[in-house]
Amino acid sequence: QLQLQESGPGLVKPSETLSLTCTVSGGSISSSSYHWGWIRQPPGKGLEWIGSIYYSGSTYYNPSLKSRVTISVDTSKNKFSLKLSSVTAADTAVYYCARQVSGLHTFDPWGQGTLVTVSS
Amino acid sequence: EIVLTQSPGTLSLSPGERATLSCRASQSVSSSYLAWYQQKPGQAPRLLIYGASSRATGIPDRFSGSGSGTDFTLTISRLEPEDFAVYYCQQYGSSHTFGQGTKLEIK
Repeated sequence: QLQLQESGPGLVKPSETLSLTCTVSGGSISSSSYHWGWIRQPPGKGLEWIGSIYYSGSTYYNPSLKSRVTISVDTSKNKFSLKLSSVTAADTAVYYCARQVSGLHTFDPWGQGTLVTVSS
Repeated sequence: EIVLTQSPGTLSLSPGERATLSCRASQSVSSSYLAWYQQKPGQAPRLLIYGASSRATGIPDRFSGSGSGTDFTLTISRLEPEDFAVYYCQQYGSSHTFGQGTKLEIK
């Protein structure tokens, strides 16, 4: 079945850029039925959608994060990536990647998540 | 941006009881774009309900969703021990937003 796995540094310094990759296995990222999304969850708090990408490279972002976010896709490697610039302690969170059903805009399944801590 | 407000914040019930969780939107949401997720400690969220009332694959029929417009409800007809978790609603308008969650705990 489809699986997603996040990877990247667990510690990022303030003002630097957070970079994560999501590797998709058991299915093609180039499917026309899906987008691919990033969602985060600060420790002990709720979920916040960051942005989503289609295999063509078309993106849309959370307006509150748009100025700092870039999501890209590499169809040859079945991966998509997140970059979040100028991070602060408020960006400390578990970052999840997930498949997004294009017609319904639901997220299913999700990766296991990776904790990124912003600290000097 | 559409804000989703979930209530109650915490719900304390016993196994076998019925749970009713509420999700209220700040403006009307298309029923097609309202979903519910379950999250257990240390795990990623799992999709339960999409389109306000359709169960996702593999979800037991004790879970049901209803509602329209600005008021949506997730009902668990008879609680099993594994149902105690945090539940989130999520909507898509021009952007995706989640409610703040309802924690369902064992009484």
